[in-house]
Amino acid sequence: GAVVSQHPSRVICKSGTSVKIECRSLDFQATTMFWYRQFPKQSLMLMATSNEGSKATYEQGVEKDKFLINHASLTLSTLTVTSAHPEDSSFYICSAPHGGLAGGAKNIQYFGAGTRLSVL
Amino acid sequence: AQSVTQLGSHVSVSEGALVLLRCNYSSSVPPYLFWYVQYPNQGLQLLLKYTTGATLVKGINGFEAEFKKSETSFHLTKPSAHMSDAAEYFCAVSDFGNEKLTFGTGTRLTIIP
Repeated sequence: GAVVSQHPSRVICKSGTSVKIECRSLDFQATTMFWYRQFPKQSLMLMATSNEGSKATYEQGVEKDKFLINHASLTLSTLTVTSAHPEDSSFYICSAPHGGLAGGAKNIQYFGAGTRLSVL
Repeated sequence: AQSVTQLGSHVSVSEGALVLLRCNYSSSVPPYLFWYVQYPNQGLQLLLKYTTGATLVKGINGFEAEFKKSETSFHLTKPSAHMSDAAEYFCAVSDFGNEKLTFGTGTRLTIIP
């Protein structure tokens, strides 16, 4: 089956620093990837859609200058949390669709294992 | 706009008992419906999905769900709970032709030995 790898699994950083999270589709190509944020004991909130070779599409209320997304290849998307603050501490999860027509809802979303970010 | 409501943030069942996790959705177009499971500190794994066709969908680990359009529901069931079923379960919906998923708030399933 399709595998999505996310790295790192956990990161602790000081306030004001930037953190980069990588999301890779290991055995398939993904022109689109999705980034979610999950607060403790809550659901996943879609942050942005990462598009290979073009700008990411951000959901309402998500600061694009705070959460920089780069989708430089068909297998890699990165999320950089810039000037991180304690309120950015969260569980970040990426997903990539596979198995159907590009852009179609019949695609199954394959999820990475998530990155737990703790900002001190 | 789509939305998903999962009734019961916590459900506890005895090992061997029936598991029933409830999901109701709201969508202006025919929905695609999904159930995902999340184990602690892990990503999400697809349990099953409904797109078109048969309304009773069978998934992995003995789970199944039935799409009931008249009730706008997609409840998840398993006849006999196992200890390994303890996890967080999310119901999700997407529009036809749209890859974006809208998730419910999740239901934490606890299995009592």
